Amino acid sequence: EDQVTQSPEALRLQEGESSSLNCSYTVSGLRGLFWYRQDPGKGPEFLFTLYSAGEEKEKERLKATLTKKESFLHITAPKPEDSATYLCAVRPLKGGGNKLTFGTGTQLKVEL
Amino acid sequence: DAGITQSPRHKVTETGTPVTLRCHQTENHRYMYWYRQDPGHGLRLIHYSYGVKDTDKGEVSDGYSVSRSKTEDFLLTLESATSSQTSVYFCAISESPSGSPGELFFGEGSRLTVL
Repeated sequence: EDQVTQSPEALRLQEGESSSLNCSYTVSGLRGLFWYRQDPGKGPEFLFTLYSAGEEKEKERLKATLTKKESFLHITAPKPEDSATYLCAVRPLKGGGNKLTFGTGTQLKVEL
Repeated sequence: DAGITQSPRHKVTETGTPVTLRCHQTENHRYMYWYRQDPGHGLRLIHYSYGVKDTDKGEVSDGYSVSRSKTEDFLLTLESATSSQTSVYFCAISESPSGSPGELFFGEGSRLTVL
């Protein structure tokens, strides 16, 4: 059974204080690992896809990295507008459609 | 923003009543999904569709049925709602999984409360 575990559950940072969110996964062959951002009362918004160990993707203050067992979302010099819940998901090699298994998320709060 | 509309956005109902949630898309995407989101469980797939009248079960499909008679509409039905189905329901769409695996576009969600 595919599993995704995210840590920490919640993180509070000061503006400019860099940190990392962790996503550990077990999957029977990885088709892709995905990061989403979710604002309160909204649907998740796609951020990144990572396909293989060693791959990195960047977008503004966010950088996602991937190893064979986990992924990190690095947040550099965060701003209050980066406050959101960040979700990680995996898709196995087998199976049709885009059937993703999601983690429970890390709730990030960035304060002035 | 992807053209996805969910209705109703909020609903309160009583145990044993039928409920239908609607997802409408204007993107002409082939794949559509229904997820539910609960504290401590994250997003879990209920059912998905890979074309008109083509649907399949997800990991938490018991108590739910779906229908897709047109490309743009995907309906989720709770035949007899139970309190355990109190949740926030999200519809999502995607293009071909081979082209952009995992890139789902989500609606705003439908909050359902079953009393």
